[in-house]
Amino acid sequence: DAGVTQSPTHLIKTRGQQVTLRCSPKSGHDTVSWYQQALGQGPQFIFQYYEEEERQRGNFPDRFSGHQFPNYSSELNVNALLLGDSALYLCASSWTGAEAFFGQGTRLTVV
Amino acid sequence: AQTVTQSQPEMSVQEAETVTLSCTYDTSESDYYLFWYKQPPSRQMILVIRQEAYKQQNATENRFSVNFQKAAKSFSLKISDSQLGDAAMYFCVLGQGGSEKLVFGQGTKLTVNP
Repeated sequence: DAGVTQSPTHLIKTRGQQVTLRCSPKSGHDTVSWYQQALGQGPQFIFQYYEEEERQRGNFPDRFSGHQFPNYSSELNVNALLLGDSALYLCASSWTGAEAFFGQGTRLTVV
Repeated sequence: AQTVTQSQPEMSVQEAETVTLSCTYDTSESDYYLFWYKQPPSRQMILVIRQEAYKQQNATENRFSVNFQKAAKSFSLKISDSQLGDAAMYFCVLGQGGSEKLVFGQGTKLTVNP
């Protein structure tokens, strides 16, 4: 079992650009959540997808959007990147009601 | 609003000794879970231990145990016989029942000295 995989591992983007991050959940998991972890802080919940629908959303602007595909994989899109969007983006997958498993994250740097 | 507070930004322990990490939380939900996650320099968040709020018995996993005080909304982690591989950032985490949204504390950086 490959666990939760995220791509890419590192990414550098210019302010104002758009970025897409990808996540493949652990086998058998149907729920994917995304978190933003700024340097030296705890992760903050962005949103969660279940059955291809956004089920919950944290306090993030509409520049952050996502998608879940029929195979449960997910994408996180961020438009009009700001310097403050620089962070580690974590994907977590779970089977409804069970514990979450995390990927190794994508380190996004906005310059 | 749900909040998690870890008041110890950094802790250190000698190898083979015991250390306790503190955490307090606040929630209006009656159905919730509490977790301790570990994040080593590799960045991957790893589940250490889990506690269901409806269970009075404190959870244990090998060298890791918790002290869950529901009325005081306190959830501390005790690590016994500390090992060098325990060095990491530790996060106290609150989960809502019925969904998997997690609320993280600010983290405690644990150093294990040989």
